[in-house]
Amino acid sequence: AQSVTQLGSHVSVSEGALVLLRCNYSSSVPPYLFWYVQYPNQGLQLLLKYTTGATLVKGINGFEAEFKKSETSFHLTKPSAHMSDAAEYFCAVSGVSDMRFGAGTRLTVKP
Amino acid sequence: EAGVVQSPRYKIIEKKQPVAFWCNPISGHNTLYWYLQNLGQGPELLIRYENEEAVDDSQLPKDRFSAERLKGVDSTLKIQPAELGDSAVYLCASSSLTPNTGELFFGEGSRLTVL
Repeated sequence: AQSVTQLGSHVSVSEGALVLLRCNYSSSVPPYLFWYVQYPNQGLQLLLKYTTGATLVKGINGFEAEFKKSETSFHLTKPSAHMSDAAEYFCAVSGVSDMRFGAGTRLTVKP
Repeated sequence: EAGVVQSPRYKIIEKKQPVAFWCNPISGHNTLYWYLQNLGQGPELLIRYENEEAVDDSQLPKDRFSAERLKGVDSTLKIQPAELGDSAVYLCASSSLTPNTGELFFGEGSRLTVL
């Protein structure tokens, strides 16, 4: 069975500062890992994903994440936050069948 | 290419009334999911279809919830009777088995308010 833990339900950064959203996973099989973003009253949109190969993956809007098997982590980063990055971010893990989501981290960006 | 379409976007009903949500997945996507998203939480799987077969409905409260996917395309999720605790967003998603990238494509969701 797969599961995801997102550390920190709410993260606040200043515009231009580093964004770091933490995600740890548990999976009995080699995982597929995802980060999704959700803006108010909208569905989830894929930011990036790790399936196989390079452990540092780049996504849309300047986000990237690194798969660290030894730490069972898949943290999301962005060097410089923009006001438009304010949203809810979900980490997810997919194994043999369905996808499991974390509880989400709400990112606030201060001017 | 059209995305996943859900309707209605918003629904307000009195408790004990029935409600139904409709989902049209991306053309060619074999797998369809219904997720429940409570306020401030991540999506939780209710049911997963592969073509017209429900392959995982273990989290679907079958006493009041039902779903169908006739002809392996559109799907309907029904609640009867609705309870106050059913107020949430119901998300539909679809994915392709070929190629299997694992990615889910989500609709905008149907927000249910039960009064």
